[in-house]
Amino acid sequence: AQSVTQLGSHVSVSEGALVLLRCNYSSSVPPYLFWYVQYPNQGLQLLLKYTTGATLVKGINGFEAEFKKSETSFHLTKPSAHMSDAAEYFCAVSRIYGGSQGNLIFGKGTKLSVKP
Amino acid sequence: DGGITQSPKYLFRKEGQNVTLSCEQNLNHDAMYWYRQDPGQGLRLIYYSQIVNDFQKGDIAEGYSVSREKKESFPLTVTSAQKNPTAFYLCASSSTSGGSRNSPLHFGNGTRLTVT
Repeated sequence: AQSVTQLGSHVSVSEGALVLLRCNYSSSVPPYLFWYVQYPNQGLQLLLKYTTGATLVKGINGFEAEFKKSETSFHLTKPSAHMSDAAEYFCAVSRIYGGSQGNLIFGKGTKLSVKP
Repeated sequence: DGGITQSPKYLFRKEGQNVTLSCEQNLNHDAMYWYRQDPGQGLRLIYYSQIVNDFQKGDIAEGYSVSREKKESFPLTVTSAQKNPTAFYLCASSSTSGGSRNSPLHFGNGTRLTVT
């Protein structure tokens, strides 16, 4: 079965500090992986995705993620946190059964707080 | 601008009443989805549809119903059989062209349903 685990439901960093949000996945086939961001009372917005090719993926707002097959991980990083990065972040893997496309399994999310 | 419109943003209902949440997209996407979001639980798939007049149950379909009479529209009805309907509901769509699993989801801004 496929699954996504996000380590840490809440992460707090100081403005200007490194942001590291952890995501591990389980998949019996090469995964397609996504990171989304959600601001309060809004929908989710795609930050970045990994399909094939380069394992370091760059996204919007200065975020990037590295696919590590040996560690089954897809951690999200940003070198320097900004106050506007405070939001909830979701990691997701694309389902491999049912014939549906773009049908994702989401992790439970990590809320990022940024302290001034 | 293309996007997904969910209405209303906030909805209040008495227990025992059915309620229908609207979702309209002008992205020309074939696939549409309904997710439910509860604090600390991430997103869980309720129903999805890949083409008009066809839809499939997701992980938590009990107590919900959908229709897909038009490509642009995918309304969700929360019935009185749903035991715990208070939640944040998110509609999404994705392209199915190319036949791959790497199509990202585009989300609406959600409807917050409160049932008392």
